[in-house]
Amino acid sequence: EAQVTQNPRYLITVTGKKLTVTCSQNMNHEYMSWYRQDPGLGLRQIYYSMNVEVTDKGDVPEGYKVSRKEKRNFPLILESPSPNQTSLYFCASSLLVGLNEKLFFGSGTQLSVL
Amino acid sequence: AQSVTQLGSHVSVSEGALVLLRCNYSSSVPPYLFWYVQYPNQGLQLLLKYTTGATLVKGINGFEAEFKKSETSFHLTKPSAHMSDAAEYFCAVSLTGANNLFFGTGTRLTVIP
Repeated sequence: EAQVTQNPRYLITVTGKKLTVTCSQNMNHEYMSWYRQDPGLGLRQIYYSMNVEVTDKGDVPEGYKVSRKEKRNFPLILESPSPNQTSLYFCASSLLVGLNEKLFFGSGTQLSVL
Repeated sequence: AQSVTQLGSHVSVSEGALVLLRCNYSSSVPPYLFWYVQYPNQGLQLLLKYTTGATLVKGINGFEAEFKKSETSFHLTKPSAHMSDAAEYFCAVSLTGANNLFFGTGTRLTVIP
């Protein structure tokens, strides 16, 4: 089954404790992206990747890192989480860069930073 | 610069009634427009998209949207609401394609039995 898998689904942590949210897709997609969803703000893009070893900042990259060492994986790293990073995070992927492709989303990771 | 405004963060309709979710965009060039739906505890799914050609776009689950350039709108409609339509709906705009989206703040649709 074609899917984007995020782990964990729920995560509670404390300020300053490094964490990684994993994202994996089994569709051989070139493009992958991370969004955060906050009430009243919709979805905002954090980082995206056009292909292996090619990443770029989205609209709200501060406090986040990503890597794309393999095509299928695109982990989101919070080196020193802060309470304002409490949010619902979504990973997404698509086959090609272009207007005729659609994004496939993961089920989300609810992060709480205390 | 591009932006999306969704009027009404919450919309309630009775089962069987017309669904109308509003979306207006701002863009310096003709954009590509999308509607995504998010069911509880799930990621977003594409409902429909407008790229070029016919301005009335039909999507999944009986939804459709019409691109009106003169009104800079892309409202989502469905003639008869079903309980299963209860979800959050996001309008999105892009200048380059489906993977460079700018999302609206979302509209939560409640369907009343």
